[in-house]
Amino acid sequence: SYVLTQPPSVSVAPGQTASITCGGNNLGSKTVHWYQQKPGQAPVVVVYDDYWRPSGIPERFSGSNSGNTATLTISRVEAGDEADYYCQVWDSGARREVFGGGTKLTVL
Amino acid sequence: EVQLVESGGGLVQPGRSLRLSCAASGFRFDDYAMHWVRQAPGKGLEWVSGITWNSGTIAYADSVKGRFTISRHNAKNSLYLQMNSLKTEDMALYYCVKGLGGELRHTFDIWGQGTMVTVSS
Repeated sequence: SYVLTQPPSVSVAPGQTASITCGGNNLGSKTVHWYQQKPGQAPVVVVYDDYWRPSGIPERFSGSNSGNTATLTISRVEAGDEADYYCQVWDSGARREVFGGGTKLTVL
Repeated sequence: EVQLVESGGGLVQPGRSLRLSCAASGFRFDDYAMHWVRQAPGKGLEWVSGITWNSGTIAYADSVKGRFTISRHNAKNSLYLQMNSLKTEDMALYYCVKGLGGELRHTFDIWGQGTMVTVSS
């Protein structure tokens, strides 16, 4: 089955840039979505279809996907960005949705 | 306002059954695929099952295949998950989730607040 690999944690100082990676075999051939989940809340999509941003999501959030790695980049990080982030793809071969294990973003 | 409200969770013994429901409002329900996603306490997200707008395609995670059944009633704007032969590892918060399109490959753009399923003797 298809596996997405994320680092368990990423730390960044306020105002700096955070990069959260998601790895998978030939991931660039798939479409990646990213979700933000704050404690006690349901997830919210922050980037979909590799790099598109839903309305209401700050421009500081951006995405890319190439080769075996997709990346969620958060520029000018704020304390309110502290959350768990998950990547997700549709594995068309197995006909199932797949989530990465999640990355906890800590703002120092 | 677009809203998904889950119900039907609770405490159940291993081996027993439970049926979750999800009431949708604020959008044209029969245009979109719907999914169930679960999250065990302190763990990550796990997709459980998805169903296309017309119930033409249904998919399940291997962990629930043969035990869980997803269905929808478009006239009632409702999504369901019948869970049989429940195991302790099924204990989780179950989210009802809307897809961005009618097929299963789209992102999940709306999430409910979840209903908790506890499996314990």
